[in-house]
Amino acid sequence: AQSVTQLDSQVPVFEEAPVELRCNYSSSVSVYLFWYVQYPNQGLQLLLKYLSGSTLVKGINGFEAEFNKSQTSFHLRKPSVHISDTAEYFCAVSPWITGNQFYFGTGTSLTVIP
Amino acid sequence: ETGVTQSPTHLIKTRGQQVTLRCSSQSGHNTVSWYQQALGQGPQFIFQYYREEENGRGNFPPRFSGLQFPNYSSELNVNALELDDSALYLCASPGDANTEAFFGQGTRLTVV
Repeated sequence: AQSVTQLDSQVPVFEEAPVELRCNYSSSVSVYLFWYVQYPNQGLQLLLKYLSGSTLVKGINGFEAEFNKSQTSFHLRKPSVHISDTAEYFCAVSPWITGNQFYFGTGTSLTVIP
Repeated sequence: ETGVTQSPTHLIKTRGQQVTLRCSSQSGHNTVSWYQQALGQGPQFIFQYYREEENGRGNFPPRFSGLQFPNYSSELNVNALELDDSALYLCASPGDANTEAFFGQGTRLTVV
């Protein structure tokens, strides 16, 4: 079984400040790791993914995430946020064995304050 | 633009009724997945279809069923609607690497 925990339900941050959105997961099988973003009244957009190799992955819009196997974490970071980053962010895992089946956290609402 | 299209965008149904939601993908992948996203929650995996057969199911009752057609379009059917079925329903299709998924805009279902 898989579970994903997003430790912060809401994160307010001032424009141009750095931000970190935290994600921890547990799984009995090997998984791929993802971050998706959801803007109001829209579907999910892929920000970045970790499949294997380098533990630091870079995504779109200046976001990056670091996979930490020992802590089973996959935290999302951005060094300087913009107003347009205001959205809901979801961490997700997908087991290698099942292929393309995703298990999501409950989401973190990022609000960028001007 | 993800190439995944869902219809309708919004729908209102009465408790006890049945509903059909539709999804099509430009990618031509033979895999499609459906998710339910309740308000304020993350998406929950309902089921996946691969080559027109169900290929994995989340913790949803049998009144949630699906179809996948030879042209890789898909339907989600929900019978005996309950108020708690009110949610955004998302359809997803794999990317080229078959590791990530691309999601449609969703269908907002309201059960009254």
